[in-house]
Amino acid sequence: AQSVTQLDSHVSVSEGTPVLLRCNYSSSYSPSLFWYVQHPNKGLQLLLKYTSAATLVKGINGFEAEFKKSETSFHLTKPSAHMSDAAEYFCVVSEAGRRALTFGSGTRLQVQP
Amino acid sequence: DAGVTQSPTHLIKTRGQQVTLRCSPISGHKSVSWYQQVLGQGPQFIFQYYEKEERGRGNFPDRFSARQFPNYSSELNVNALLLGDSALYLCASSFQGSSYEQYFGPGTRLTVT
Repeated sequence: AQSVTQLDSHVSVSEGTPVLLRCNYSSSYSPSLFWYVQHPNKGLQLLLKYTSAATLVKGINGFEAEFKKSETSFHLTKPSAHMSDAAEYFCVVSEAGRRALTFGSGTRLQVQP
Repeated sequence: DAGVTQSPTHLIKTRGQQVTLRCSPISGHKSVSWYQQVLGQGPQFIFQYYEKEERGRGNFPDRFSARQFPNYSSELNVNALLLGDSALYLCASSFQGSSYEQYFGPGTRLTVT
């Protein structure tokens, strides 16, 4: 069975400082992993995806994530936070051939001025 | 290009009533998935349809049903509404019947009173 654990429900950073959102996954097969962002009253936007190619994945808006199979982790990072990054972030896993995306419980990112 | 569209945006229903939510996928996408997002949680998979056939079902009661039309649009129906059905219902489309690269609509906010 596939599952995702987001290790922090809430992260607060200052504008211009690095962002780290942590995610661990569990999967019986080679997984695909995603990060989605949800701004208030808006739908989910795909930030980046890992599908068994390069382990360091670059996404939109300066975000990137590294797939570490030995640690079953897929942490999301950004070198410098911007006020517009404040949102809810979801780590998502899907096994090959499965129909459903399995979402984590989300991490709310707050960016202080 | 138009993204995934959903209607209505908001809906208020009474316990015991029935509701129909609608979704139009991105042009060229043949698969539609439905997710339920309860406040403060990550989305939960309800259904996936591909080429008008149900290809996946999550752990939801039979009160939930869906269908996909020849133009690949989809409807989600919920009968005998309960207070616990209050949630944001998200529709996602993808080109093929897999879970990769799902693009989400803005959602329908359902409130059951």
